[in-house]
Formats: sequence, C-alpha cells, structure tokens
Amino acid sequence: ETGVTQSPTHLIKTRGQQVTLRCSSQSGHNTVSWYQQALGQGPQFIFQYYREEENGRGNFPPRFSGLQFPNYSSELNVNALELDDSALYLCASSWDRGYTGELFFGEGSRLTVL
Amino acid sequence: GIQVEQSPPDLILQEGANSTLRCNFSDSVNNLQWFHQNPWGQLINLFYIPSGTKQNGRLSATTVATERYSLLYISSSQTTDSGVYFCAVKRGSTLGRLYFGRGTQLTVWP
Repeated sequence: ETGVTQSPTHLIKTRGQQVTLRCSSQSGHNTVSWYQQALGQGPQFIFQYYREEENGRGNFPPRFSGLQFPNYSSELNVNALELDDSALYLCASSWDRGYTGELFFGEGSRLTVL
Repeated sequence: GIQVEQSPPDLILQEGANSTLRCNFSDSVNNLQWFHQNPWGQLINLFYIPSGTKQNGRLSATTVATERYSLLYISSSQTTDSGVYFCAVKRGSTLGRLYFGRGTQLTVWP
C-alpha cells in the first residue's frame, strides 16, 4: 500500500462525454502527477501539479486538464472523450516537485470509452 | 525526451529459475525506478536506484549511470513474480516527469 488512492477504479463513458478522475496523494507529499497507460504500453506523462499549479505537461491536448487542492489531492478532467482515451489513468505523488526521490503510484482508474 | 529501452520484451521461466532484465536509457538521469505492475494495474515500487546496487530479498538491481543502463535480477523465481516490469527514468530538468520503457512481461510457470 503506497497511500495514494484513486477513484473511481473503473468507469465507462461514451464518446463526447466528460470524465473526472480523483487522486489523494500520500501523506507528506505535495506534488501530484498523472499518467495515461494504453494497453500494452508504458505509462505516458500527462501533467504535474505543485502548489495548486500545473508545472509540467506532456504531449496531451488541452481537453486534458487538472486541479490540485490545498490538501494536495488532485483531479484529472478529460473533455470531449474520444475512443483513444480508453486507458488506465495513474496518479503518482512525490515530494518537492519530484526533483529527486521516488514517485509512488495509486491503483489507477480504468476508463473505457464506447 | 529520454528514450528508454527494456529487454527482453517477454520472458518465460519455470519456477526456481533466475533472470536478468535490462534497461538502457539515452541521456543522463537523476532518478531511476523499477516497478512491478500487478494484474490490477498498480505499479509497485521495487527500487529507487539512480546509481549503485541495491538488494531486497530475491530481487536486486544495479545501475551504471555513466554507461546509461540498469539491470534487475530476480533469483529463484516464483509464480507471484509474474507480471510486467517497468523501468522509468527522470532528468532533473523535467521535474517529476518519469519516462517509462515498454516493459518486460514475465511469466513464471509452476
């Protein structure tokens, strides 16, 4: 158990809908990052939040957005869902923006877009 | 970004066998982690090893940062070792962004 919790664990949406995924970081960690893992691939970095601001983004369109709250928990929002958004979404927490030290991952939210 | 290559892509072993997984990366890094992804998708931390050698039970890892590779050793394999093993690296300039390889799918038969 890493202490990073995600919800929901599974969900099904249809194309064009919007989804919100949630993550609670490990105690003592102030940085949250999100990753997308397509079937058979390694996780891909979406973005990172530190002190409630996005401070790093991977190659994902603006319809992927996020929030970080004062208690360091975070949300990932995806608008206008596409079939290719079907994936496992992983949240990771770390300390100090992750310059050094380990990242710890939650169990993931598995999204299916029909 | 950093290119991370893992080999072999697939590995099939009988229980009790030993194995070595390799991770090559294309640039200098300040963080390297090995993960085991369980069947439910969670990434389990195995090692945080930007350089040097560490051991944890039947598992050990070595990173030679100057030569840009890391090795994960699994001794006396058990069926519970099955799953996908990922190597992930990070540069200091990319904050918390980890670059993952495509993983090694390990299957251990009884």
